Amino acid sequence: GENVEQHPSTLSVQEGDSAVIKCTYSDSASNYFPWYKQELGKRPQLIIDIRSNVGEKKDQRIAVTLNKTAKHFSLHITETQPEDSAVYFCAASMIFGGTSYGKLTFGQGTILTVHP
Amino acid sequence: GAGVSQSPRYKVAKRGQDVALRCDPISGHVSLFWYQQALGQGPEFLTYFQNEAQLDKSGLPSDRFFAERPEGSVSTLKIQRTQQEDSAVYLCASSTGRHSYEQYFGPGTRLTVT
Repeated sequence: GENVEQHPSTLSVQEGDSAVIKCTYSDSASNYFPWYKQELGKRPQLIIDIRSNVGEKKDQRIAVTLNKTAKHFSLHITETQPEDSAVYFCAASMIFGGTSYGKLTFGQGTILTVHP
Repeated sequence: GAGVSQSPRYKVAKRGQDVALRCDPISGHVSLFWYQQALGQGPEFLTYFQNEAQLDKSGLPSDRFFAERPEGSVSTLKIQRTQQEDSAVYLCASSTGRHSYEQYFGPGTRLTVT
């Protein structure tokens, strides 16, 4: 089955700095890679996702890059703010056809702390 | 609109008791997933429903775990004879099942087995 490794496990930055979280996956058939943000005691919320036919996607201060050959993908947050502090999870999935069936395999999570 | 809801939010069970956890997905969502999240870990897949059909239960850790979605909407995850290792947050997620990959998560049920 799929295996997703995520690094680093903790990341501490100063407000305004950039943060980068990296993930690798094992199954070359995986074709959908979402990133979730989870605040303490709250539900995971999707912040950005990327499909395997795209190498990079950006949404304001957040970007994700995908290298299919190396089987790794990364989350980039620029101009970090204290409210970005949370646990971030990467995930990988294999989507069939037009359906959304694709169980997510998650990484272990990264605790991001942004200091004011 | 209403998101995914789960009940109860917290459940304390004595070892050996049976528990039932409920998930109300977003109305009209075809796909429903259950995940287990241990403390400090990422969620791990348990089972998947497409409408009322349970198409994948490969992640259920033992035959003590059982899930159902009889009418294709509300789902229940049942754990029989709970053990301490069952302590975790149980997350439910739903998605439209049609041309959208995003899974919307519920707030989870925190199960503590004493």
